[in-house]
Amino acid sequence: DGGITQSPKYLFRKEGQNVTLSCEQNLNHDAMYWYRQDPGQGLRLIYYSQIVNDFQKGDIAEGYSVSREKKESFPLTVTSAQKNPTAFYLCASSMDRSTDTQYFGPGTRLTVL
Amino acid sequence: AQKITQTQPGMFVQEKEAVTLDCTYDTSDPSYGLFWYKQPSSGEMIFLIYQGSYDQQNATEGRYSLNFQKARKSANLVISASQLGDSAMYFCAMREGQGYSTLTFGKGTMLLVSP
Repeated sequence: DGGITQSPKYLFRKEGQNVTLSCEQNLNHDAMYWYRQDPGQGLRLIYYSQIVNDFQKGDIAEGYSVSREKKESFPLTVTSAQKNPTAFYLCASSMDRSTDTQYFGPGTRLTVL
Repeated sequence: AQKITQTQPGMFVQEKEAVTLDCTYDTSDPSYGLFWYKQPSSGEMIFLIYQGSYDQQNATEGRYSLNFQKARKSANLVISASQLGDSAMYFCAMREGQGYSTLTFGKGTMLLVSP
């Protein structure tokens, strides 16, 4: 089945530890995105990538890092520098340049204890 | 100023009735796109409908239609014949410019459909 997968669904980490969230798509989409959602809020963009080996910062990139070594994969690392990492993280991808309709994965809920 | 404003934190509707969810936007870019997404309690974001700024007609997708009023900068979502499964958060979002770009989201409206 084609789609976007994120793993794990729930993730717990101790404060001060880096953690990497996985995002994989088999839709052959060029662009991929990472968003963060806090309770009662809309989504905010962390990073996005339009092509392999290239990515741009979004509105809230501080404390996060990404890589795009393969078209299918866009992992997000939440570093210890991120002051408030507990949130719901959503990955998306897009292939239509004319509309940039983004399709989302199921999300990863990260809790830092 | 907020780029996307959803003024209704919550809405109630009875099953089989129609409901309108409001969205206003703010941009000076002549080329933009407007999206509606549904987020059920499971958390995934489901794409519902898209309207481009140059589209002459209002977008429709099944029971969803977008009431696009460009001069008023509004892009309201109309759901006809509501179903219990429509209960969810609904987000309006905007893309400015052309090509791959970022989406700016509103804060959402919680819709509850009652039997």
